[in-house]
Amino acid sequence: GAGVSQSPSNKVTEKGKDVELRCDPISGHTALYWYRQSLGQGLEFLIYFQGNSAPDKSGLPSDRFSAERTGGSVSTLTIQRTQQEDSAVYLCASSWGQGGAGELFFGEGSRLTVL
Amino acid sequence: AQSVTQLDSQVPVFEEAPVELRCNYSSSVSVYLFWYVQYPNQGLQLLLKYLSGSTLVESINGFEAEFNKSQTSFHLRKPSVHISDTAEYFCAVSDRGSTLGRLYFGRGTQLTVWP
Repeated sequence: GAGVSQSPSNKVTEKGKDVELRCDPISGHTALYWYRQSLGQGLEFLIYFQGNSAPDKSGLPSDRFSAERTGGSVSTLTIQRTQQEDSAVYLCASSWGQGGAGELFFGEGSRLTVL
Repeated sequence: AQSVTQLDSQVPVFEEAPVELRCNYSSSVSVYLFWYVQYPNQGLQLLLKYLSGSTLVESINGFEAEFNKSQTSFHLRKPSVHISDTAEYFCAVSDRGSTLGRLYFGRGTQLTVWP
């Protein structure tokens, strides 16, 4: 597609359930990033992929969070045993190479609400 | 890790007035600097960036920002705003030598332009 596509756009889940969020980056972008935007914390970096490898996953807040990328394209962010503090908008971004000279292209986000 | 401070959470101005959105960052380590904009119901978009060279950078829609190393600031300015500039503006910093797309964001400034 023309832009970064994320799904679902909205997800409401119960505490303790697992959720998967999907990101389809711009075709040809080798770098992919996940960020989280929450009311209390602003925008936080979670993880960076270059191709299918994740050289920087230092922003993942706990071991309940994991992400993978396959075929150098689609990425899935998985949150296990969701907690209320996981409620946030999860943003995916992609770029040419490593950071694309600083220009990240963001999707519109997946809004997660944990009840 | 960087800390980015956007001093004003909300800036209301009238159309055609000048505006300055302030941004300071914490570290004197060499950095890349960015302003991203989020229009209502849209994803984040790069507005302008400083990587090297001239400390004054401009966007295509009349915004400019100046990198001031001694004051660790990267304030965003526009001499005459339009109603269509209403959006949330995020200042972001990336450390040179680290993951280029790993951005540290400020909490954002909501710019509202009134007729």
